[in-house]
Amino acid sequence: RKEVEQDPGPFNVPEGATVAFNCTYSNSASQSFFWYRQDCRKEPKLLMSVYSSGNEDGRFTAQLNRASQYISLLIRDSKLSDSATYLCVVHSGGGADGLTFGKGTHLIIQP
Amino acid sequence: NAGVTQTPKFQVLKTGQSMTLQCAQDMNHEYMSWYRQDPGMGLRLIHYSVGAGITDQGEVPNGYNVSRSTTEDFPLRLLSAAPSQTSVYFCASSYAGPPYEQYFGPGTRLTVT
Repeated sequence: RKEVEQDPGPFNVPEGATVAFNCTYSNSASQSFFWYRQDCRKEPKLLMSVYSSGNEDGRFTAQLNRASQYISLLIRDSKLSDSATYLCVVHSGGGADGLTFGKGTHLIIQP
Repeated sequence: NAGVTQTPKFQVLKTGQSMTLQCAQDMNHEYMSWYRQDPGMGLRLIHYSVGAGITDQGEVPNGYNVSRSTTEDFPLRLLSAAPSQTSVYFCASSYAGPPYEQYFGPGTRLTVT
């Protein structure tokens, strides 16, 4: 049973372009959603939370679609430094142990 | 404020050896956890703790033990290392309640031969 699914990529995108990727989740009772960023051989770090009304932070926009059970991440005006793996994380109840991590989408921004 | 620290950064073990991975945090977080990350598998929860003296099993606990004697420290013990335990291990901490933002340590790369 795959609870959180992501396209592993890699997504190869030219610098300055806009890129978007989705993450689907299977538990309709899930309440909280997050995007984490993980650089090569580094630890994951929180990029942004995903609220029901959407969330924008500079060039990054996250959206939630409860009806279709997916969240999305849009990156505008991509930079070389955006190259990383983006992990979708879903909280489906309980405490912090209720987090499920997706396997990640690998993004490569090309000059 | 060091955040979450882990030692060692790299370790090579022979099959059957035991060792302890250290994790400490200085953010006064109640919740601490251990994950392993394998290629194509994503992060999987090994054990977690919601406070000193309280631990519980995650998704893949077999072959690992934990204890939480203080709020700050959460060591992970490999009892008898096996090649299947070759992985990158991350310790994480957070407040026990929402929004559940996890702060990760830099990881320990373990190879079991």
